[in-house]
Amino acid sequence: LAKTTQPISMDSYEGQEVNITCSHNNIATNDYITWYQQFPSQGPRFIIQGYKTKVTNEVASLFIPADRKSSTLSLPRVSLSDTAVYYCLAPGPGTASKLTFGTGTRLQVTL
Amino acid sequence: DSGVTQTPKHLITATGQRVTLRCSPRSGDLSVYWYQQSLDQGLQFLIQYYNGEERAKGNILERFSAQQFPDLHSELNLSSLELGDSALYFCASSVEEGAAYGYTFGSGTRLTVV
Repeated sequence: LAKTTQPISMDSYEGQEVNITCSHNNIATNDYITWYQQFPSQGPRFIIQGYKTKVTNEVASLFIPADRKSSTLSLPRVSLSDTAVYYCLAPGPGTASKLTFGTGTRLQVTL
Repeated sequence: DSGVTQTPKHLITATGQRVTLRCSPRSGDLSVYWYQQSLDQGLQFLIQYYNGEERAKGNILERFSAQQFPDLHSELNLSSLELGDSALYFCASSVEEGAAYGYTFGSGTRLTVV
């Protein structure tokens, strides 16, 4: 199964930019990298998805280098409500690996 | 509201019992995925169905089974329940197979086995 590696936890102050990096050495050639946000006792929510280079939407940016072996989720000016667990999903070869989430990064935002 | 509906939201049952969790995917989505999340743990992939057919299996116990019906709703059956089966069970759906389209998750069913 594909293995993604993320920091277990991160702390930030409100208003700062937060960058969370995910390593995925075995990503499948044709698959996208997707990031999800999960609040306690809720289902994960899609944040952003990309294949290569940079993608930006209204909540985040996603940076993917040319070799696609890692990706960085960038959250600009975080607020207390961004406190959550963030998962990257970077499928590897094989069907089951496409559906396997990593352990996620627990982001704690404080004043 | 994500469009993925899971029922019931909460379930409390005794060890040894059997329960059925239900999921209605988002309108137009053909693929359904089941995940288990124990307290403070990550998401464990259980099983995937696409248009009624089983497509992938993860770490699903033999005591667990699932199916997807012609109307595309899915049920996850958990039998001979043990205390360790207490968890949040999430259903997700996508328009097609694979991660390219992103998954939409429901709000989950919290199962407590006592």
